[in-house]
Amino acid sequence: GEDVEQSLFLSVREGDSSVINCTYTDSSSTYLYWYKQEPGAGLQLLTYIFSNMDMKQDQRLTVLLNKKDKHLSLRIADTQTGDSAIYFCAESMDSNYQLIWGAGTKLIIKP
Amino acid sequence: EADIYQTPRYLVIGTGKKITLECSQTMGHDKMYWYQQDPGMELHLIHYSYGVNSTEKGDLSSESTVSRIRTEHFPLTLESARPSHTSQYLCASSESTSGNYEQYFGPGTRLTVT
Repeated sequence: GEDVEQSLFLSVREGDSSVINCTYTDSSSTYLYWYKQEPGAGLQLLTYIFSNMDMKQDQRLTVLLNKKDKHLSLRIADTQTGDSAIYFCAESMDSNYQLIWGAGTKLIIKP
Repeated sequence: EADIYQTPRYLVIGTGKKITLECSQTMGHDKMYWYQQDPGMELHLIHYSYGVNSTEKGDLSSESTVSRIRTEHFPLTLESARPSHTSQYLCASSESTSGNYEQYFGPGTRLTVT
């Protein structure tokens, strides 16, 4: 069945770039998403990319999509302490209007 | 900015009590979802609705029930709370336009059953 995989943890130094990776299995997904969850809060949409795009940039965020390898990445430039959170990757399912979620990557910022 | 609300934000309740978690959205979205999430862990879909009078069970078996009598309101009820129900419950909504199923989330209800 459909599956979205992410590594559970990523540790980076403040000021460095963070790259969070995600792989998915459904090649028919129309949109792919990155959400951010801070402790004790709901999920907040960071950005999404349409499946016919290779890259999308929004300020410090860059999303790269490799459809051939079914690989999605989120790069955060100049990582700050406020970026400390769990980042979820998700793909859309046209068949049932739902999102398939990864398990989330916890981003840890070292001073 | 998403307009989706959940109450209460925190609830501590004894075993065997009946509880209802409220979720409301003012965006007119037709689709709504309930997720269960242990702290820092993955999301599990427990219920969803595609419109008024439409409710379905999600991937994770849950002893809770839901109703959708009005578009903006999607409450979740536990008839008899147990310690195993201790978790965070997240409500979300979406409208499907051109294949973009972006979901908007409420702040969550943190439930503790003692």
